[in-house]
Amino acid sequence: KAGVTQTPRYLIKTRGQQVTLSCSPISGHRSVSWYQQTPGQGLQFLFEYFSETQRNKGNFPGRFSGRQFSNSRSEMNVSTLELGDSALYLCASSLGRGLEQYFGPGTRLTVT
Amino acid sequence: DAKTTQPPSMDCAEGRAANLPCNHSTISGNEYVYWYRQIHSQGPQYIIHGLKNNETNEMASLIITEDRKSSTLILPHATLRDTAVYYCIVKRLTGGGNKLTFGTGTQLKVEL
Repeated sequence: KAGVTQTPRYLIKTRGQQVTLSCSPISGHRSVSWYQQTPGQGLQFLFEYFSETQRNKGNFPGRFSGRQFSNSRSEMNVSTLELGDSALYLCASSLGRGLEQYFGPGTRLTVT
Repeated sequence: DAKTTQPPSMDCAEGRAANLPCNHSTISGNEYVYWYRQIHSQGPQYIIHGLKNNETNEMASLIITEDRKSSTLILPHATLRDTAVYYCIVKRLTGGGNKLTFGTGTQLKVEL
């Protein structure tokens, strides 16, 4: 069974631009969560989607948003990029809420 | 979710058992102990979780003290590939969704 896939793997953007990251969960998994990892703040929870609905949200500004499609694939969007948004963005999927999560390899975003 | 405390780093000789401690003195009765690890630049990997009984799977064993205030992850025969940051996380199985609160973890270095 294929693992969690994230595209693109690497991305370079300029301040003020926006970016969309994609996550395809493991087949059959209905829950997708997003995390941001930076050297200074570590791994931080962004949001969780289940059955196309946002179920939980971390402490991030409104510039960070996401959605989930009927096939459980998810996208996250960051608008008006700032230098501090440079990070590894990780997606995780699970069969359901509260179960163990399986992470993708991440998207490395660099904002210049 | 309860907070956890882990040593920042540990060393282990290859082939020996690696015992990674975690303190979670404020754990609630309905909170589970989860362990994940992150090998450099990869997404975190689920290892094991438990409530109060000791648990074992193909990767590791989890020993939880009777008062549940601490636990130990045991890698029985550590290899160089086990070098990673290990995260101990406490969360409710249900009701808390999929939000994982990562601390700073323990950097395990397995050496020849």
